[in-house]
Amino acid sequence: EAQVTQNPRYLITVTGKKLTVTCSQNMNHEYMSWYRQDPGLGLRQIYYSMNVEVTDKGDVPEGYKVSRKEKRNFPLILESPSPNQTSLYFCASSGQPPYEQYFGPGTRLTVT
Amino acid sequence: QQPVQSPQAVILREGEDAVINCSSSKALYSVHWYRQKHGEAPVFLMILLKGGEQKGHEKISASFNEKKQQSSLYLTASQLSYSGTYFCGTVLVSGSARQLTFGSGTQLTVLP
Repeated sequence: EAQVTQNPRYLITVTGKKLTVTCSQNMNHEYMSWYRQDPGLGLRQIYYSMNVEVTDKGDVPEGYKVSRKEKRNFPLILESPSPNQTSLYFCASSGQPPYEQYFGPGTRLTVT
Repeated sequence: QQPVQSPQAVILREGEDAVINCSSSKALYSVHWYRQKHGEAPVFLMILLKGGEQKGHEKISASFNEKKQQSSLYLTASQLSYSGTYFCGTVLVSGSARQLTFGSGTQLTVLP
């Protein structure tokens, strides 16, 4: 089954404690992306990747890092989370350049 | 730059039609439409490309006016299952061909 998986689905953490949200896809897609969703603001792109070792900033990259060492994985790293990063996060993948995106189930992050 | 969606919300009765609009102040390469039901991930509906190409589901129709940088999503004979939040996403001609920016969404409610 074609899918995008994210882990964890729910996470409550404290300010400053480094965390990683994993994202994996099994469709051999080149393009992967991270979004955050906040009420009234829609989906805002954090980072995207066109292929292995190729990443670029989206609209709201501050406070986040990503890496793309393997085609199937695209983890999102918060080195020092802050309360304003409390949000619902989605990972997505598609063929170039992007076309139809497949979204993961989402990760709800709360930073206290 | 985030595209502007209108209306922000619409309430319909089953069988009625609706139009959701998406506009940008910059030249667009492509427009993407997604629907998100409460508590779920966004699901792809359609992509419209500069030059007239369209890819999407058979029961969904949309238009892309390249001169006005506007797109409209047409929902005809609405069903209860159409309820959800609709997002348009845009890729600019001038920007990275890989950066997808979503609007803030249009909440559609279909009543029996």
